[in-house]
Amino acid sequence: ELKVEQNPLFLSMQEGKNYTIYCNYSTTSDRLYWYRQDPGKSLESLFVLLSNGAVKQEGRLMASLDTKARLSTLHITAAVHDLSATYFCAVDIRNTGNQFYFGTGTSLTVIP
Amino acid sequence: DAGVIQSPRHEVTEMGQEVTLRCKPISGHDYLFWYRQTMMRGLELLIYFNNNVPIDDSGMPEDRFSAKMPNASFSTLKIQPSEPRDSAVYFCASSRPGWSETQYFGPGTRLLVL
Repeated sequence: ELKVEQNPLFLSMQEGKNYTIYCNYSTTSDRLYWYRQDPGKSLESLFVLLSNGAVKQEGRLMASLDTKARLSTLHITAAVHDLSATYFCAVDIRNTGNQFYFGTGTSLTVIP
Repeated sequence: DAGVIQSPRHEVTEMGQEVTLRCKPISGHDYLFWYRQTMMRGLELLIYFNNNVPIDDSGMPEDRFSAKMPNASFSTLKIQPSEPRDSAVYFCASSRPGWSETQYFGPGTRLLVL
């Protein structure tokens, strides 16, 4: 079974600081997604990464994918309170294994 | 577009009762996914459909769970009989045709089985 591990699981950071969330996965895939979930809410799509070396940026968030290392990162630049949420990565192997796996999630709290 | 629609939004039932969750995907989306989210197990894919056909149901916990998609605009997830350990938030999501499309999630159904 594919394993998708995120770290850290919990992250508390001050406004204005930078940090990176890591997503490691255990099988070959070149399709990875990042989602955001606010407390008590549904999931919102952030990024779709479809090839080795892919980099996407939106505001203070930047996501990248290294398929050889089986690693994706979500980098937060100059954090603001509105970024407080849980962030999930998800690995898509529907083309080989008919499955779609979510990571454990990283709960981010940005402190003013 | 109204987005993915789920009903009911909240459901409280007693152990042993049948529970039916409903989902209307976004028009034009041909993939539909059912997920369960709990604190202990996180987000789990239960089953997904492509063009109304179930592709993988290996995530369905046991025979008490069943899912159908009779047409492109409607799907159900049924639990019969329900048990307290089924208490969770159940999400439905849909995506456009193709391998590389992101999923759009519904608001979820919060199920509590007493």
